[in-house]
Amino acid sequence: ETGVTQTPRHLVMGMTNKKSLKCEQHLGHNAMYWYKQSAKKPLELMFVYNFKEQTENNSVPSRFSPECPNSSHLFLHLHTLQPEDSALYLCASSHDYGSGGSTDTQYFGPGTRLTVL
Amino acid sequence: GQNIDQPTEMTATEGAIVQINCTYQTSGFNGLFWYQQHAGEAPTFLSYNVLDGLEEKGRFSSFLSRSKGYSYLLLKELQMKDSASYLCAAPRYNTDKLIFGTGTRLQVFP
Repeated sequence: ETGVTQTPRHLVMGMTNKKSLKCEQHLGHNAMYWYKQSAKKPLELMFVYNFKEQTENNSVPSRFSPECPNSSHLFLHLHTLQPEDSALYLCASSHDYGSGGSTDTQYFGPGTRLTVL
Repeated sequence: GQNIDQPTEMTATEGAIVQINCTYQTSGFNGLFWYQQHAGEAPTFLSYNVLDGLEEKGRFSSFLSRSKGYSYLLLKELQMKDSASYLCAAPRYNTDKLIFGTGTRLQVFP
């Protein structure tokens, strides 16, 4: 496997379910990101982890809970979601985050298409 | 604040040239990215401009004018596979937090 992988690719869940999204990067990067992409809206940054430490939480509701056990893996735990949370959830990684100088390029996974019923 | 503007949709013919514009308003500037995203797939990196001018990469070129807060992506010799959304993004000043435009959906017709 190369690049950034995400599982599952598609997920349908009820509002009372608990599920988790998984992301893995094989690029040797230190920073990992979760984004939300809704129809007709720009990509929205949700969380950033740099060297396993959360460095950004973009005012995301607590029903989304990220976890970064190491620099290669990132999870997004979901519980009690709402139908408006249906979207494409993208994971990305970059060499570093917030180290100064030019911004490192982010490389994206294929996303998880989430539908909340 | 920071704002990224780009057209929502464009159409073009196979073999033609198309220019996708992006304007940005920021309190500072730290470079501008272009990504390509096919439907249902990951955004893939195309270019990153920090200095003014045109950078060419094969059929794709990206231009930046910092004084005008303006960039464009130029696609030459269009192919059907170029039908995709093209995302413009810039980091919020003094951070690595990327702010994305809504994307320009390009449809290439035979």
